[in-house]
Amino acid sequence: GAVVSQHPSRVICKSGTSVKIECRSLDFQATTMFWYRQFPKQSLMLMATSNEGSKATYEQGVEKDKFLINHASLTLSTLTVTSAHPEDSSFYICSARDGSGLDTQYFGPGTRLTVL
Amino acid sequence: AQTVTQSQPEMSVQEAETVTLSCTYDTSESNYYLFWYKQPPSRQMILVIRQEAYKQQNATENRFSVNFQKAAKSFSLKISDSQLGDTAMYFCAFGVWGTSGSRLTFGEGTQLTVNP
Repeated sequence: GAVVSQHPSRVICKSGTSVKIECRSLDFQATTMFWYRQFPKQSLMLMATSNEGSKATYEQGVEKDKFLINHASLTLSTLTVTSAHPEDSSFYICSARDGSGLDTQYFGPGTRLTVL
Repeated sequence: AQTVTQSQPEMSVQEAETVTLSCTYDTSESNYYLFWYKQPPSRQMILVIRQEAYKQQNATENRFSVNFQKAAKSFSLKISDSQLGDTAMYFCAFGVWGTSGSRLTFGEGTQLTVNP
């Protein structure tokens, strides 16, 4: 149980285009999902917290107009990187909080974004 | 604000031996959770073990156990009978769940290499 999927696993796009990343909790309902960014050999940096049916809460320094987050259902959250630039190239990871029982975050496999 | 410190950037251990990874944290919260996650080369974050702060008994999951010292704000991970598949980056994380928001704060990670 407690499986989180993320799609796509890797994407290459041209500068100026937008990219959407999906995060799904497959076997549990997630009222809260989180989006992280990870640079090589570094820790995870929380970008935003996504609550089902409400606006996402962004961490300081994260541009909400650039990183659009939608959490329309209890099993799906999406991150859209708008007008992507090479500096947006990174590894993006989502997690979903299982609010029942153990109340733990489970992570997706991540998405490698490369902006040319 | 919470901080999590992992003072060992890299560690190595021989197969079948025991290794302990250190983690300290700082918080003013009284109710919280502590986690160890591993991130193998695939970059999938995997939950290793979880500890509720109100529980005095140290958590154990098969070969993985923790030494939770609440007063000292210390949360070390012991891996017994190390296996080659344990090679990964290990992250200690602090979690607070509440109506104001739920988030994990990660340490910088310890790269563990298990040698044959």
